[in-house]
Amino acid sequence: DAGVTQSPTHLIKTRGQQVTLRCSPKSGHDTVSWYQQALGQGPQFIFQYYEEEERQRGNFPDRFSGHQFPNYSSELNVNALLLGDSALYLCASSSRQGAEQYFGPGTRLTVT
Amino acid sequence: GDSVTQMEGPVTLSEEAFLTINCTYTATGYPSLFWYVQYPGEGLQLLLKATKADDKGSNKGFEATYRKETTSFHLEKGSVQVSDSAVYFCALSDFTGGGNKLTFGTGTQLKVEL
Repeated sequence: DAGVTQSPTHLIKTRGQQVTLRCSPKSGHDTVSWYQQALGQGPQFIFQYYEEEERQRGNFPDRFSGHQFPNYSSELNVNALLLGDSALYLCASSSRQGAEQYFGPGTRLTVT
Repeated sequence: GDSVTQMEGPVTLSEEAFLTINCTYTATGYPSLFWYVQYPGEGLQLLLKATKADDKGSNKGFEATYRKETTSFHLEKGSVQVSDSAVYFCALSDFTGGGNKLTFGTGTQLKVEL
């Protein structure tokens, strides 16, 4: 049973560029959430997708956007990258009726 | 809004010592509570959960009890091992706002020495 997978593992971008991160949920899960984890901090909720729509959003600017596909996989897009966007980006999946979320290994984004 | 407060680390213990990591929360609804563990360079792993008051979650020798009266969910283990060295995050989830987003504490680093 495959768990949550994310790609790429690491990414280096320049300020002002755009980036796309990808996530495939755990088998049987239909809800995908994205979190940003700065070094030494707890994860911060970005947004959650269910039925291909954004259902809930945290305190992140519109530069952060996402998408969910019919197979439940998801993308996180960040435009106009800032140095402060450097972080570990975590994807988590869950079933709509379940409370617990299962996390992928994350994508380490470095903005220079 | 929802919030989670954890004791600051690092916590350094000798192998076989007793572990307690304190966690308290503030929530508007009736949240579910979780402990996640993060090993170096990895994502988060769900360690245990409790979904209602007085529930006890347990896994791999760790346990935590959902205390509504004190809004707490302290993590305990009777005898830690070197392999338990990691960062531990307390988190809550409720279904207000249309989804089940997780709100995390800042994490507590645990170091277990021989």
